[in-house]
Amino acid sequence: DSGVTQTPKHLITATGQRVTLRCSPRSGDLSVYWYQQSLDQGLQFLIQYYNGEERAKGNILERFSAQQFPDLHSELNLSSLELGDSALYFCASSPRDRADTQYFGPGTRLTVL
Amino acid sequence: AQSVTQLDSHVSVSEGTPVLLRCNYSSSYSPSLFWYVQHPNKGLQLLLKYTSAATLVKGINGFEAEFKKSETSFHLTKPSAHMSDAAEYFCVVARNAGGTSYGKLTFGQGTILTVHP
Repeated sequence: DSGVTQTPKHLITATGQRVTLRCSPRSGDLSVYWYQQSLDQGLQFLIQYYNGEERAKGNILERFSAQQFPDLHSELNLSSLELGDSALYFCASSPRDRADTQYFGPGTRLTVL
Repeated sequence: AQSVTQLDSHVSVSEGTPVLLRCNYSSSYSPSLFWYVQHPNKGLQLLLKYTSAATLVKGINGFEAEFKKSETSFHLTKPSAHMSDAAEYFCVVARNAGGTSYGKLTFGQGTILTVHP
């Protein structure tokens, strides 16, 4: 168990809908990272937050947004969902603004029908 | 810019035989390199990392990797495979500054390791 929790574990929704994925980092970790894992794109970095501020951005679509709250948990919002958004979404955390050691959560499996 | 190429999408070995998973990287910066493992229906776990110290890096579960700058490679090896090693392995690169890694992790496409009894 990495200490990173993600909810929900599974999510099934329809095209055009909006969903929110939640991540709680390990106790004391200030950085949160979001990744998308899909069959065609592999594992892709989406975005990083450090202590509430956006720190690095990857291949995140404009329909997606994220934030990190004062208690350091993070939410990834996915809107106007498309079939191609079906994927496993991982959250990871690390102690500081460093990618050296990231602890990954179990993931949220999103299915868009 | 940075990228990672894992040269084999599938590797199959017999239990007790050596494991070699190959990875080449490209980076405009001094790189940090990692290997992560993903067991079925599980999250990713860090096996080992290189951040500009010793070029031969030892990780968990008997795995090790050697950073070879001249070959831009970071191959993962293990002398003797166990059944429990069956999983998907990802080679990862990040930007290194002063021995610390920053920013996004760029993942390879993954290598699925199968271990036969």
